[in-house]
Amino acid sequence: GAGVSQTPSNKVTEKGKYVELRCDPISGHTALYWYRQSLGQGPEFLIYFQGTGAADDSGLPNDRFFAVRPEGSVSTLKIQRTERGDSAVYLCASSFGTANTGELFFGEGSRLTVL
Amino acid sequence: AQSVTQLDSQVPVFEEAPVELRCNYSSSVSVYLFWYVQYPNQGLQLLLKYLSGSTLVKGINGFEAEFNKSQTSFHLRKPSVHISDTAEYFCAVTPRTGTASKLTFGTGTRLQVTL
Repeated sequence: GAGVSQTPSNKVTEKGKYVELRCDPISGHTALYWYRQSLGQGPEFLIYFQGTGAADDSGLPNDRFFAVRPEGSVSTLKIQRTERGDSAVYLCASSFGTANTGELFFGEGSRLTVL
Repeated sequence: AQSVTQLDSQVPVFEEAPVELRCNYSSSVSVYLFWYVQYPNQGLQLLLKYLSGSTLVKGINGFEAEFNKSQTSFHLRKPSVHISDTAEYFCAVTPRTGTASKLTFGTGTRLQVTL
């Protein structure tokens, strides 16, 4: 597709369950980012991939959160033992190259609700 | 570390009236500055950015912003708004030295344009 695609758009789960959120970036974009947006807040950085490797994962809140990008394209954000505080919209963005010029292309997000 | 403050959570305005959305930032290092817009049911998209040069930058849809280093501000303006400008607007910064667009966002301002 032409833009960043995220699935699912909505996910409702129970506390303690495992969740996977998928991001398909714009074709040819080498950089991929995950952000989290809680209610009433701006997006917060989680992790950044350049190619297949996680270049910066300093924003992941704890070891229950993990992300992969095995072939340098699609990425999956994995959350283990979900907690109610994990409820948020998870945003994926991609960009071409490594420059920090801020031109990120965002998907519509995956809304996670933990009951 | 960086922080971004958007004091106005909501700004109601009549169509064809001018508008200013305020943004102030704090940072111990030099930063690049951005405004992103999120229309209903869409992903965030870049409205404009300040990297260097003229402190008055023009973006899409008739918006402009002025960087004021002494006041650490980057206010967004439009001389005449349209109904279609109704959206959430986010100010963001990222350090100049870096290889990733690790954006720090404000909490957003919801612009509501009415007839």
